[in-house]
Amino acid sequence: GAGVSQSPRYKVTKRGQDVALRCDPISGHVSLYWYRQALGQGPEFLTYFNYEAQQDKSGLPNDRFSAERPEGSISTLTIQRTEQRDSAMYRCASSLEAGGATGELFFGEGSRLTVL
Amino acid sequence: AQTVTQSQPEMSVQEAETVTLSCTYDTSESNYYLFWYKQPPSRQMILVIRQEAYKQQNATENRFSVNFQKAAKSFSLKISDSQLGDTAMYFCVHGSYKLIFGSGTRLLVRP
Repeated sequence: GAGVSQSPRYKVTKRGQDVALRCDPISGHVSLYWYRQALGQGPEFLTYFNYEAQQDKSGLPNDRFSAERPEGSISTLTIQRTEQRDSAMYRCASSLEAGGATGELFFGEGSRLTVL
Repeated sequence: AQTVTQSQPEMSVQEAETVTLSCTYDTSESNYYLFWYKQPPSRQMILVIRQEAYKQQNATENRFSVNFQKAAKSFSLKISDSQLGDTAMYFCVHGSYKLIFGSGTRLLVRP
C-alpha cells in the first residue's frame, strides 16, 4: 500500500479481554517496528522484525504482550488479559532496510487502545 | 542501554525567528545515527533531519540544521525562519538497530 496501515484505529475493550492490533507495512519494507506512545510522551520501543524474524522483543512489558510477522509482511501485536495500564496509542513503523535504524521509519497512524 | 534526554518540555518562538531545541544522549555504541522527528497535531510522525555519528559535518535540511557534538553526546536542532507550520512536538532519536525516542519538546510558533 501507499503507507503503513494499522487497524483498528480505535479499540475499546474491557479489562481481561484479549486484543489484536494489526499492522500492514509499506510493500517491500524489510523492517517492522512496534512502539507504544502515551499522550505527551515519546514512542516507547516494544519490538521489531527483520522479515519474519523477531530481532528484539526487549521492550515488551511482560508476557501478556506478543507479536508476530509470520510471512514477513503483516504483523499482529497481541495483548492478552488486558489491564487498564495497557491503554495507549500503539504505533507501527516500517523501514526499507534491514535493521531500519539507519534510514527513515514510516509510521502508521496508530491504534488507540482504551481498556475500561 | 541507550537513553535520550530532552530537557525542554515546551518552547515558544516568534514567527520568522530562530529557535534551538536541545538533546543529549548516552550510548555504548560506536556506530549509530541520530534523528529529529516532528509530530504535528495530526499525530503523524515525520522525519526532519538525520545525522550519521561517523560524520563530523553537521547535517542541514533547508531551514533545519543540527549541532552535533559527539564527545559531549549532544545533538541540538536549530530551526531558522520559524513558520507557523513548525508548531509540533519534536523528538530527538538515537538509532543503531532500533530507535530510542526522547520525551519530546513541544514547540509553539507564535504569529
